[in-house]
Amino acid sequence: AQSVAQPEDQVNVAEGNPLTVKCTYSVSGNPYLFWYVQYPNRGLQFLLKYITGDNLVKGSYGFEAEFNKSQTSFHLKKPSALVSDSALYFCAVRDPLGGNFNKFYFGSGTKLNVKP
Amino acid sequence: GAGVSQTPSNKVTEKGKYVELRCDPISGHTALYWYRQSLGQGPEFLIYFQGTGAADDSGLPNDRFFAVRPEGSVSTLKIQRTERGDSAVYLCASSFAGQGGTDTQYFGPGTRLTVL
Repeated sequence: AQSVAQPEDQVNVAEGNPLTVKCTYSVSGNPYLFWYVQYPNRGLQFLLKYITGDNLVKGSYGFEAEFNKSQTSFHLKKPSALVSDSALYFCAVRDPLGGNFNKFYFGSGTKLNVKP
Repeated sequence: GAGVSQTPSNKVTEKGKYVELRCDPISGHTALYWYRQSLGQGPEFLIYFQGTGAADDSGLPNDRFFAVRPEGSVSTLKIQRTERGDSAVYLCASSFAGQGGTDTQYFGPGTRLTVL
C-alpha cells in the first residue's frame, strides 16, 4: 500500500540556520514525490517535485529536496531559514504502478517554526 | 493568470442539510481533483475528473457524497444529509493531466465546512 510518513509534527529552527523537514514513503515502484507548503487559511502551494534524474531537486523560495531510494526518503532542506518560511509543509507521493497514479497520498504535515 | 478558486470560502450548515461546494479550475486544465483535509491531517483524496467524467471516485466516503463536472471545467461537490463528521476543509486542485502522474496539481484555497 502507498503511504507517506512525516515523523516530526513540528520543527523549530532559528533564522539563518539550515532546516530539514523529513519525509519517508512507501510505494510499490519508483515514486513521484512532491512537497507543498500551506500558509494559514490558504491552499497548498507547490514547492518542488522529483520524477526522475538527479536526486537533488531545487524548487521555489530556495528550497531543495534529496531523493534517497535506499532510505525511501525525500527530505526537504533549505540552507538558511527565514521567519517567513514558518508554515505547514506536506510531502506527497504518487505511485506510477498503482491503480491510479493521478492520486496523491499526503503525509500528515510538519509545522515549521522559524524564530528570529 | 488566475489560480484555482473555490466558493464559498466558509460554509456553516446544520446536521442533515444538503450542501454544494464549487471549484473553478485553472483555465485549460483537464484534470480536477477533490480532497478533504481534517484538522491536523494531510489532505485525503476524494475524487478525480478527467474532462467531464469521474475517472476515480474511490475516495468518496459514502453515497452521501457526489461530484459533477458537466462541461469539463467547473466542478461541484455535493454532500447530502450532512453529518458533524463531514466538517473539514474541502480542497480542489487542477492540472494538465495525461502526463503519467508527473503533472503538478495546483490547489485552491479550500472551503471550510462546519456542520453543527
